[in-house]
Amino acid sequence: GAVVSQHPSWVICKSGTSVKIECRSLDFQATTMFWYRQFPKQSLMLMATSNEGSKATYEQGVEKDKFLINHASLTLSTLTVTSAHPEDSSFYICSARGTTGSATYYNEQFFGPGTRLTVL
Amino acid sequence: GENVEQHPSTLSVQEGDSAVIKCTYSDSASNYFPWYKQELGKRPQLIIDIRSNVGEKKDQRIAVTLNKTAKHFSLHITETQPEDSAVYFCAASIGGGGNKLTFGTGTQLKVEL
Repeated sequence: GAVVSQHPSWVICKSGTSVKIECRSLDFQATTMFWYRQFPKQSLMLMATSNEGSKATYEQGVEKDKFLINHASLTLSTLTVTSAHPEDSSFYICSARGTTGSATYYNEQFFGPGTRLTVL
Repeated sequence: GENVEQHPSTLSVQEGDSAVIKCTYSDSASNYFPWYKQELGKRPQLIIDIRSNVGEKKDQRIAVTLNKTAKHFSLHITETQPEDSAVYFCAASIGGGGNKLTFGTGTQLKVEL
């Protein structure tokens, strides 16, 4: 149980275009999803926290108009990188936290496999 | 906000030796400390965690110790094997693993034959 998927697993795009990354919890309902960015050989940096049905909470220094997050259902959150530039190239990882109804899924974050974004 | 420092950044050991990775945190309100193993290009995997009401926890070859007073915690891997080679991250949060995690900078562990 507790499987989280991401799509696509990798994407290459031209500078100035927008890219959407999906994060899905496959076998549990996720009230909260987290989005991280990881540059090569660096740590995971939390970008934002999204709760189903409400606006995402962004970490300091993360542009909310550039990184649009939507968490419209209990199993799906999307991250859209708008007007992508080469400096946005990174490994984007989501994680999901389950509902309060299940202690197993509520007290742990389950990570997706990540999406490698390359902006040319 | 919370700040987590991790040392060393790289660690090379011989197979069968022990490896120790250390982390310090700044926010005394943090009460949950997980450790993750990440292989290249893969997702982080939770390998062990500890809560602030416990000083030590062990799971087979892996153990974690916590010193709340000094605000530091350590990962101990005994009898290292080549498959232990990966990047290890410590993290800290308030309230548990389902809450916001602040990660350390990572340690690249290499287990040599």
